[in-house]
Amino acid sequence: KQEVTQIPAALSVPEGENLVLNCSFTDSAIYNLQWFRQDPGKGLTSLLLIQSSQREQTSGRLNASLDKSSGRSTLYIAASQPGDSATYLCAVSRYGNKLVFGAGTILRVKS
Amino acid sequence: GAGVSQSPRYKVAKRGQDVALRCDPISGHVSLFWYQQALGQGPEFLTYFQNEAQLDKSGLPSDRFFAERPEGSVSTLKIQRTQQEDSAVYLCASSWWTGEGNQPQHFGDGTRLSIL
Repeated sequence: KQEVTQIPAALSVPEGENLVLNCSFTDSAIYNLQWFRQDPGKGLTSLLLIQSSQREQTSGRLNASLDKSSGRSTLYIAASQPGDSATYLCAVSRYGNKLVFGAGTILRVKS
Repeated sequence: GAGVSQSPRYKVAKRGQDVALRCDPISGHVSLFWYQQALGQGPEFLTYFQNEAQLDKSGLPSDRFFAERPEGSVSTLKIQRTQQEDSAVYLCASSWWTGEGNQPQHFGDGTRLSIL
């Protein structure tokens, strides 16, 4: 059974700092990996999707990498801003359909 | 609308009552998913539809949970004889289906269900 772990569980940083969120998964036979953002009381917003054949994806200040063989992904956020404060969730898909999620990292960026 | 719409946003029910949660996916999205999110946890898969066909219901926790999507668009998740452990946020997601599974899932804001 696929298990997804996210470290750290919570993170508080000053504005402007670069930061890394970690995600690991136990079964490397994945189809893709997605990073999501969740604001309080809201649904999930897709940030980046990495296919299993890809190594990384970039969108603005966000960069996600994937090392499928070792079962790891990182989300790098450059020059963090208070508006980046949210819960970040990592999820993997085996057959391109249902997602298996980690518990998330709660990020707080202090101004 | 432009996004996935779920209703109601909040539902309070007494233990033992039946509830129905609605999901209106993005127009044209073939795939539809239901997830359950407990407080402080990531979402957990419940069931998956491709058009009107329910292809995977392995995540439904008991036979009290039932989902349908009769015309391949709007979906309803029904919970019968609700229990306190059913209290959670229920999220619906939809996506295009290209046959290669490389499309992101788009989520609604969820229905927060509280069982008293």
